[in-house]
Amino acid sequence: GEEVAQTPKHLVRGEGQKAKLYCAPIKGHSYVFWYQQVLKNEFKFLISFQNENVFDETGMPKERFSAKCLPNSPCSLEIQATKLEDSAVYFCASSQGTSGTNEQFFGPGTRLTVL
Amino acid sequence: ILNVEQSPQSLHVQEGDSTNFTCSFPSSNFYALHWYRWETAKSPEALFVMTLNGDEKKKGRISATLNTKEGYSYLYIKGSQPEDSATYLCAFLHNYGQNFVFGPGTRLSVLP
Repeated sequence: GEEVAQTPKHLVRGEGQKAKLYCAPIKGHSYVFWYQQVLKNEFKFLISFQNENVFDETGMPKERFSAKCLPNSPCSLEIQATKLEDSAVYFCASSQGTSGTNEQFFGPGTRLTVL
Repeated sequence: ILNVEQSPQSLHVQEGDSTNFTCSFPSSNFYALHWYRWETAKSPEALFVMTLNGDEKKKGRISATLNTKEGYSYLYIKGSQPEDSATYLCAFLHNYGQNFVFGPGTRLSVLP
């Protein structure tokens, strides 16, 4: 597609439940990025992929968070045993090449609310 | 920990005014700086990708400059319009990863 698609738009989970978010990058883009935006704070980088390979995961919490980008499937970000502080908007972005010279195209975000 | 700062935090200008704001970033290990425009409830939209010291880029009434040696970039808006109201984000990329560090943004309100 011509836009980054993210589903669902909103997700509500009870504390301790699992949350799974999906991102379909723009067709032909080989890099995918996940960001977490808590309330009105800045975007926090979580992880990036080059095709199905993890490119940089320095922002991923060591526990409970995992992500995948498999061929012919949307990318996913999964949070096991959600906590209240996981409530945020999770943005996905894709780019055609490395971010040194390529702009990122952002999806509309998934708002996760943990109760 | 890499620190990216933006100033001012917010700005109110009258329609027709020109304005500018600053993004400060580490001057070492620079790889790229991106500027994004973000309207609430929408996706951030890329404005500029800047890589070379001294770069100056322009898109319509918006332009940006880059000084990698001193670690800052300026974004200029000429003749602000109400539709320019948004948060302007800069994102710094160092040369050893794909780990963007975003600034907190400058929130611009253009009053008609």
